[in-house]
Amino acid sequence: ETGVTQSPTHLIKTRGQQVTLRCSSQSGHNTVSWYQQALGQGPQFIFQYYREEENGRGNFPPRFSGLQFPNYSSELNVNALELDDSALYLCASSGGGREPSYEQYFGPGTRLTVT
Amino acid sequence: GENVEQHPSTLSVQEGDSAVIKCTYSDSASNYFPWYKQELGKRPQLIIDIRSNVGEKKDQRIAVTLNKTAKHFSLHITETQPEDSAVYFCAATGGGSQGNLIFGKGTKLSVKP
Repeated sequence: ETGVTQSPTHLIKTRGQQVTLRCSSQSGHNTVSWYQQALGQGPQFIFQYYREEENGRGNFPPRFSGLQFPNYSSELNVNALELDDSALYLCASSGGGREPSYEQYFGPGTRLTVT
Repeated sequence: GENVEQHPSTLSVQEGDSAVIKCTYSDSASNYFPWYKQELGKRPQLIIDIRSNVGEKKDQRIAVTLNKTAKHFSLHITETQPEDSAVYFCAATGGGSQGNLIFGKGTKLSVKP
């Protein structure tokens, strides 16, 4: 198992609400990437944070936002939740050097259900 | 936009047989190609990866090949075991960003004892 942790494990929210998901990166890693995995699909890249700065973003609307803290843990915030936001949200930890590295190690995910 | 196609979507083999999963990618700038194994209800697990300057890489029973000209890469599992049963995802870097992994839709591998 990787040292990447996520909280909470499961979450149920109502349409229009806001949610914050959390990720602790593996020790020594300074980069966190967030993905959305719908049922039966591959993960889709949301964005990446490297040393507290956004370092790339996928095709997700601005209501998906993030943050990385000095200890390299990260948050994913989603505003104005929609039913289609129901998915498994995965964070992946990587890096440790002066540049982002390629190998990404996933956390267990947060299962978000929007009703 | 960038895309990764993965085939087949399901694959059933007998224990001891080989399994091959194939992927194609569209972004000629892609330079890193990982493979992940995801068991039901668990996190994707990185099992092998290859960079664009290498044509083949092997780790025990699994191997990956890359053909940059054709934009193809494949996962080969030999001497399959029931514990190899899972969904396998290929991915490629895209959008000019190392962090942006574009995933295929997955292959559900079933190994029958």
